[in-house]
Amino acid sequence: EAQVTQNPRYLITVTGKKLTVTCSQNMNHEYMSWYRQDPGLGLRQIYYSMNVEVTDKGDVPEGYKVSRKEKRNFPLILESPSPNQTSLYFCASSFPSGTQYFGPGTRLLVL
Amino acid sequence: SQQGEEDPQALSIQEGENATMNCSYKTSINNLQWYRQNSGRGLVHLILIRSNEREKHSGRLRVTLDTSKKSSSLLITASRAADTASYFCATDPSNYQLIWGAGTKLIIKP
Repeated sequence: EAQVTQNPRYLITVTGKKLTVTCSQNMNHEYMSWYRQDPGLGLRQIYYSMNVEVTDKGDVPEGYKVSRKEKRNFPLILESPSPNQTSLYFCASSFPSGTQYFGPGTRLLVL
Repeated sequence: SQQGEEDPQALSIQEGENATMNCSYKTSINNLQWYRQNSGRGLVHLILIRSNEREKHSGRLRVTLDTSKKSSSLLITASRAADTASYFCATDPSNYQLIWGAGTKLIIKP
């Protein structure tokens, strides 16, 4: 089944404790992206990747890192999480200019 | 940056009525897409319309695109309770980024 998976789905952590949210797709998509969604603000892009080893900043990259060592995986790293990073995070993948397939989301609470 | 804007922000209608949502954008595009999001879940693709198309249908959905006005509309006919969701438009000024609107929250009252 074609899908985008994210883990964990829910995470509660404390300020400053490094965390990684994994994202994996099985559709051989070149393009992958991370978004955060906050009430009233819609989707805001954090980082995106056009292919292996090619990443670029989106609209709100501060406080986040990504890597794309393999085509199927695109982890999101928060080196030192802060409470303003409490949000709902989505990973998505697609072919260029195509339909985006979204993961189920990761709810993060930073205390 | 968020360049797409949906209108209205919220819409509440009776089951069976038609629902219309609008999207405006600022830059030239390759295509425009509409997505649905049920509360707290991932977005699901509904329909893609290319910049050289003016209208597209998919089941009860009808999408129009007016590139001269930089706007699109999504019409859901004969609405059902299951259509209750948030609807987002997304435009792609390049091949690798989508620009998202803030969404329209649609509530279908039984």
